[in-house]
Amino acid sequence: EPEVTQTPSHQVTQMGQEVILRCVPISNHLYFYWYRQILGQKVEFLVSFYNNEISEKSEIFDDQFSVERPDGSNFTLKIRSTKLEDSAMYFCASSEIGNQPQHFGDGTRLSIL
Amino acid sequence: QKEVEQNSGPLSVPEGAIASLNCTYSDRGSQSFFWYRQYSGKSPELIMSIYSNGDKEDGRFTAQLNKASQYVSLLIRDSQPSDSATYLCAVNPNSGYALNFGKGTSLLVTP
Repeated sequence: EPEVTQTPSHQVTQMGQEVILRCVPISNHLYFYWYRQILGQKVEFLVSFYNNEISEKSEIFDDQFSVERPDGSNFTLKIRSTKLEDSAMYFCASSEIGNQPQHFGDGTRLSIL
Repeated sequence: QKEVEQNSGPLSVPEGAIASLNCTYSDRGSQSFFWYRQYSGKSPELIMSIYSNGDKEDGRFTAQLNKASQYVSLLIRDSQPSDSATYLCAVNPNSGYALNFGKGTSLLVTP
């Protein structure tokens, strides 16, 4: 069964450094998403991406965040200058069309020191 | 603020029993509703989607939606210890496709 793949599984970074989280969505899916989950809290939406542009973003997704689809398969989330509070699990998801079920990758655990 | 509310639990049921998980949402225009299962330290795994009022069955799982009451539920029949996990209710608001998640209900199925 097709799945969303994310790399790396765990990323440890010093505060202030840039990180790039990578995702390969399911191949025939058109909508891509990033969510995060701080330990013990609920899953929170960050951004959605369709047709090579951001379609929605939350208040969390400020100027420190950016997304990109650099080629036909990868979808990346960049955090420009990480803060301690960016420590969380980051999940990539994709869906065939907008209101269809979103399928999640295994996540990247981001630890900021 | 558009909210999705779930009882945090834990909900404890004996093996073989029916587990009933509930969720309410505040955005009356919400169109799409999903149940995800999340094991500790893992990612959300889709169980069910439901879009119209009524019941939808898939194996041991039944999702129920009542848009007038802004209420969606998940029934798990013949509960197994492997069903022990946190169950997340997720709602698409009226505008856009971002999922708004509840905090989840922890389910414990005891042998």
